[in-house]
Amino acid sequence: AQTVTQSQPEMSVQEAETVTLSCTYDTSESDYYLFWYKQPPSRQMILVIRQEAYKQQNATENRFSVNFQKAAKSFSLKISDSQLGDAAMYFCAYRSPLSGNTPLVFGKGTRLSVIA
Amino acid sequence: NAGVTQTPKFQVLKTGQSMTLQCAQDMNHEYMSWYRQDPGMGLRLIHYSVGAGITDQGEVPNGYNVSRSTTEDFPLRLLSAAPSQTSVYFCASSYIPGGGRDNEQFFGPGTRLTVL
Repeated sequence: AQTVTQSQPEMSVQEAETVTLSCTYDTSESDYYLFWYKQPPSRQMILVIRQEAYKQQNATENRFSVNFQKAAKSFSLKISDSQLGDAAMYFCAYRSPLSGNTPLVFGKGTRLSVIA
Repeated sequence: NAGVTQTPKFQVLKTGQSMTLQCAQDMNHEYMSWYRQDPGMGLRLIHYSVGAGITDQGEVPNGYNVSRSTTEDFPLRLLSAAPSQTSVYFCASSYIPGGGRDNEQFFGPGTRLTVL
């Protein structure tokens, strides 16, 4: 079974600075999907960025980018020019491409604080 | 397009009571799932469904029942509530991965359940 590990329960960053959240995963599959979800205090789960394992290019969405290292099974999230609205819980998640039972497997989350 | 809707948003139960958490989606997604979120545990899969009439257990199914009579609806039933079921519950839906379709899971706003 796949597992996802987020080793940083809490992180903080100064406004306008850059922060990197770590995520590692364990799988025997060669193709899969990886996601970062943001959960603000409203508790709504919001997709931030996704990566397909067969794509070597790292995904980027505005101020959010990932560093995907397939061999190391690492999928870190970089937030540039941090804003107060970035304060939230961030969850890394894995999904198998196989049809049928394809739930998201989540890490335990990293709580990000942004300091003004 | 309402996305994924959940009712109620908040609920307080006494030990032994039963109730149903409602979930509906209007995106014609085959895959629907229920997660529970507990502090420090991330999101854990309770039950999932890959289509009408098909359900299966996830990581933490005990004490919960589901059914899927239509594509749109996926209710979660607590048979006899226990304090250990105090949690935030999320319903999610997506297409089944494969065939080049988007595999993003869309989440409902969550239900905060307290069992006294």
